[in-house]
Amino acid sequence: GNSVTQMEGPVTLSEEAFLTINCTYTATGYPSLFWYVQYPGEGLQLLLKATKADDKGSNKGFEATYRKETTSFHLEKGSVQVSDSAVYFCALSIGGSYIPTFGRGTSLIVHP
Amino acid sequence: DGGITQSPKYLFRKEGQNVTLSCEQNLNHDAMYWYRQDPGQGLRLIYYSQIVNDFQKGDIAEGYSVSREKKESFPLTVTSAQKNPTAFYLCASSVLDSGSGYEQYFGPGTRLTVT
Repeated sequence: GNSVTQMEGPVTLSEEAFLTINCTYTATGYPSLFWYVQYPGEGLQLLLKATKADDKGSNKGFEATYRKETTSFHLEKGSVQVSDSAVYFCALSIGGSYIPTFGRGTSLIVHP
Repeated sequence: DGGITQSPKYLFRKEGQNVTLSCEQNLNHDAMYWYRQDPGQGLRLIYYSQIVNDFQKGDIAEGYSVSREKKESFPLTVTSAQKNPTAFYLCASSVLDSGSGYEQYFGPGTRLTVT
């Protein structure tokens, strides 16, 4: 079956530090890959996505590159802010099945 | 603005009572989903639907029921048979176009507390 593995949290950083949250996947086909963000007490919202190998998704200073050879989709940001504190979910979906597979989420805490 | 609304934001019930959580979308999406989220946990799929009057059980459907009488509405009933109903419930929707990758749009969630 399909699965998504994210690094355990919480990830704790100081403001302006570099962020990496690792995400690897296993899939039976060619998935689309997503990062969602959940701020405290809210629903999830799409942060970025990539639908084919070597695509780079980017939004709000966050980036992730779809690496088929390493089955990875790591999330990066060059300089985090306190307002980036949230839980980040990596997810995949396979063409033909509209039920996505989510990772367990990684909590990010950014200190001033 | 298009989006998904869930009401209420907070809901309190006594044990043994059924409770219905509302989910409405005006995105014209065909597919709708219900997830449960417990503290520090990921998302677990309860039910999903791709068309009016049809829905399927997800991974943790026991103790829950749904209906899909209209395309824009997908209410979830938490029955008294659900052993641990206290949780954060999220509704989502998506188009059924594989070109989009089936990205999901989420509502703001309903926090249910049963005592």
